[in-house]
Amino acid sequence: AQSVSQHNHHVILSEAASLELGCNYSYGGTVNLFWYVQYPGQHLQLLLKYFSGDPLVKGIKGFEAEFIKSKFSFNLRKPSVQWSDTAEYFCAVNANSGGYQKVTFGTGTKLQVIP
Amino acid sequence: NAGVTQTPKFQVLKTGQSMTLQCAQDMNHNSMYWYRQDPGMGLRLIYYSASEGTTDKGEVPNGYNVSRLNKREFSLRLESAAPSQTSVYFCASRDRPRWNTEAFFGQGTRLTVV
Repeated sequence: AQSVSQHNHHVILSEAASLELGCNYSYGGTVNLFWYVQYPGQHLQLLLKYFSGDPLVKGIKGFEAEFIKSKFSFNLRKPSVQWSDTAEYFCAVNANSGGYQKVTFGTGTKLQVIP
Repeated sequence: NAGVTQTPKFQVLKTGQSMTLQCAQDMNHNSMYWYRQDPGMGLRLIYYSASEGTTDKGEVPNGYNVSRLNKREFSLRLESAAPSQTSVYFCASRDRPRWNTEAFFGQGTRLTVV
């Protein structure tokens, strides 16, 4: 069964600091990878996605993620965070499971950016 | 730009009461999902419907039932609510059979069972 691990549960950064959130997945086949963001009191929104091609994916609001197949990782990065990036971030993997495209989410990382 | 609409947004139930959470999408998506979100546990899939007329259990189906009323609507029912079902519930939809697509989420229903 596929699974997703997010290593950091709670990250606190000052504005302008660099961000890297870890995500590792376990699945031997072809996967699609996603990062979703959930701002306080809101629903999940897609930040970026990887389906194929260039393993470095750029998303909205200056976020990017790199798919490293050999490490089963899809880490999220941002060079300089802003207070408005305070949110919870979820990594998700879509893979084939019994003929159904199943999406599995990580447990989330809460990011708090201090002005 | 409605996307995925969930009702109600908030609900308080007494133990043993029943209720139905409604979800509708206007994107003509084939697949629809119900997740629950609990602190430290991420999103866990309760039930899903790969297409109109089909439903299947996810990771945590116990205590829930679903109905895919038509292509637009996918409801989640709690027959006898328990405090363990206190959670935030999200409905999502996704296009199929193009599998390389993302899920779109509703605003969530915050349910408290006392």
